[in-house]
Amino acid sequence: AQSVTQPDIHITVSEGASLELRCNYSYGATPYLFWYVQSPGQGLQLLLKYFSGDTLVQGIKGFEAEFKRSQSSFNLRKPSVHWSDAAEYFCAVADNTNAGKSTFGDGTTLTVKP
Amino acid sequence: ETGVTQSPTHLIKTRGQQVTLRCSSQSGHNTVSWYQQALGQGPQFIFQYYREEENGRGNFPPRFSGLQFPNYSSELNVNALELDDSALYLCASSYRPASYNEQFFGPGTRLTVL
Repeated sequence: AQSVTQPDIHITVSEGASLELRCNYSYGATPYLFWYVQSPGQGLQLLLKYFSGDTLVQGIKGFEAEFKRSQSSFNLRKPSVHWSDAAEYFCAVADNTNAGKSTFGDGTTLTVKP
Repeated sequence: ETGVTQSPTHLIKTRGQQVTLRCSSQSGHNTVSWYQQALGQGPQFIFQYYREEENGRGNFPPRFSGLQFPNYSSELNVNALELDDSALYLCASSYRPASYNEQFFGPGTRLTVL
């Protein structure tokens, strides 16, 4: 069965500092990986996705993620965090034909200090 | 282009009652997935509807049921509500069949069971 682990429940960074959110997955085939962001009381917004090719993918809002098959990881990064990035971040994995059956991690809450 | 909408926004029910949640898919999408997001957790896949039929179900009991209509909108019905059903219910739409498709989420319905 597929699963996603986000080891960090809560991360606090200062505004302007760099950010890395960790994600480890377990999937039997070639994974289709996602990062989503959720602001309080809102639905989920897709930041980026990976399915093949270049292992470093660029997303919206200045985020990027690196796929490492040997480590079963798909970590999210941002060089300089803005106060508006404070939110909850979810990593997810799915079959490449059906993103609508995704398995999500339990999320990482990001707090940004001024 | 109209995004995914859900109604109602909030709902309060008592244990044992039944509830119906509604979702309108994004224009051009033919598939709807439902997720349950308990407090402090990631979304969990409930089921998916494609061409008006259930197309996969997660680990949820039969008292969770759904419908999809010819216009691709969908309903989630939960019978015999339990306290643990309190959660944010998210609907997401996508287009199938398409490899590497994406799903787009609605804002969710917050259900409280007392």
